[in-house]
Amino acid sequence: NAGVTQTPKFQVLKTGQSMTLQCAQDMNHNSMYWYRQDPGMGLRLIYYSASEGTTDKGEVPNGYNVSRLNKREFSLRLESAAPSQTSVYFCASSGAGASEGEYFGPGTRLTVL
Amino acid sequence: AQSVAQPEDQVNVAEGNPLTVKCTYSVSGNPYLFWYVQYPNRGLQFLLKYITGDNLVKGSYGFEAEFNKSQTSFHLKKPSALVSDSALYFCAVRDQAGTALIFGKGTTLSVSS
Repeated sequence: NAGVTQTPKFQVLKTGQSMTLQCAQDMNHNSMYWYRQDPGMGLRLIYYSASEGTTDKGEVPNGYNVSRLNKREFSLRLESAAPSQTSVYFCASSGAGASEGEYFGPGTRLTVL
Repeated sequence: AQSVAQPEDQVNVAEGNPLTVKCTYSVSGNPYLFWYVQYPNRGLQFLLKYITGDNLVKGSYGFEAEFNKSQTSFHLKKPSALVSDSALYFCAVRDQAGTALIFGKGTTLSVSS
């Protein structure tokens, strides 16, 4: 069981470039999430997907798009990267029910110059 | 709206002493409460959760947390701190109808030898 995997681990972009962060889980979870972590701000939700085929905005969705490709995979796209998007990005997944915790991937450290 | 407060940015404790990391929350109805730990350059790891029942919840690595409904608190505790407990700790909450977890800003625990 790999759990939640993310690629790439590190990425450096120039302002205006685009990229897609990939996330996959092998726990048969319905729900998947994308968070960003910035110093002193905790984790903030970008987008989530409660089930295959559905996505919803979180607290900080501007500048991002997502795709729930299938039950396993949930990708995050930056269409035109900005320095304010420099952050560590975490993907997470959880099983059915609000009482379930979230399982996190190792993160992607993104720097936008 | 749901929210979580971790009033201390940093907690310092000597090895062998008890530790407490504080968390208060605001949520409609009954909360589901979680603690996560993050070691440097790693993803978040689940420590413990409160769903219902006994107010004292035991989790991984000897940690426990006490749920106090009247004070809307969920403090993380450990009777005897280890240097290896030094990490960033996050409290999170979800209401029974909620989607993603709402995280506090995190508390850095530093245990000195």
